[in-house]
Amino acid sequence: GAVVSQHPSWVICKSGTSVKIECRSLDFQATTMFWYRQFPKQSLMLMATSNEGSKATYEQGVEKDKFLINHASLTLSTLTVTSAHPEDSSFYICSGVQGASYEQYFGPGTRLTVT
Amino acid sequence: GENVEQHPSTLSVQEGDSAVIKCTYSDSASNYFPWYKQELGKRPQLIIDIRSNVGEKKDQRIAVTLNKTAKHFSLHITETQPEDSAVYFCAAFYSGSARQLTFGSGTQLTVLP
Repeated sequence: GAVVSQHPSWVICKSGTSVKIECRSLDFQATTMFWYRQFPKQSLMLMATSNEGSKATYEQGVEKDKFLINHASLTLSTLTVTSAHPEDSSFYICSGVQGASYEQYFGPGTRLTVT
Repeated sequence: GENVEQHPSTLSVQEGDSAVIKCTYSDSASNYFPWYKQELGKRPQLIIDIRSNVGEKKDQRIAVTLNKTAKHFSLHITETQPEDSAVYFCAAFYSGSARQLTFGSGTQLTVLP
């Protein structure tokens, strides 16, 4: 299957700082990428959908100025958590879709801890 | 938008027994239903999926059934093994939007040796 990587796999940052998470499709062109957040013992909650070269579409309740998403190429999307707070601590997972395919290929996730 | 409900939230079975997890969805336009297995701290792993033009699909010990009329689908795992222990998520592909998946709340499956 197609491979998606994320970097970093885990990060600890101080409250008020910004953190950037990269999501890369290694062997396919991801026309659409999705960003999810998963709190402990909960399901994956979609944060935003990004199409290459377009502005991301954010789900209701997700602050676009706090969670900056850039999808500048068909193989790279980035999520920047700005002015991070402890409540932003979570597991962030991206996924990519190629063309009209139904299947999403998930990255390994990034564990963010804000102290 | 789509709403997916999943039951039960936890399930314990003896090794060798079968496990069944059920999901319902709300949007009749949804047409793709994947199931994922997620181990702690890892990515969701697709284990089986079904499209709306099929009623049942089987892959070795895993099967999925779909009832479009009732808008529910189920995961069946037979001859369970301890390594099947994980969280399982159902999902529905909501074709009315940007090709999004809506996930169920998850089922923690524990297979007791």
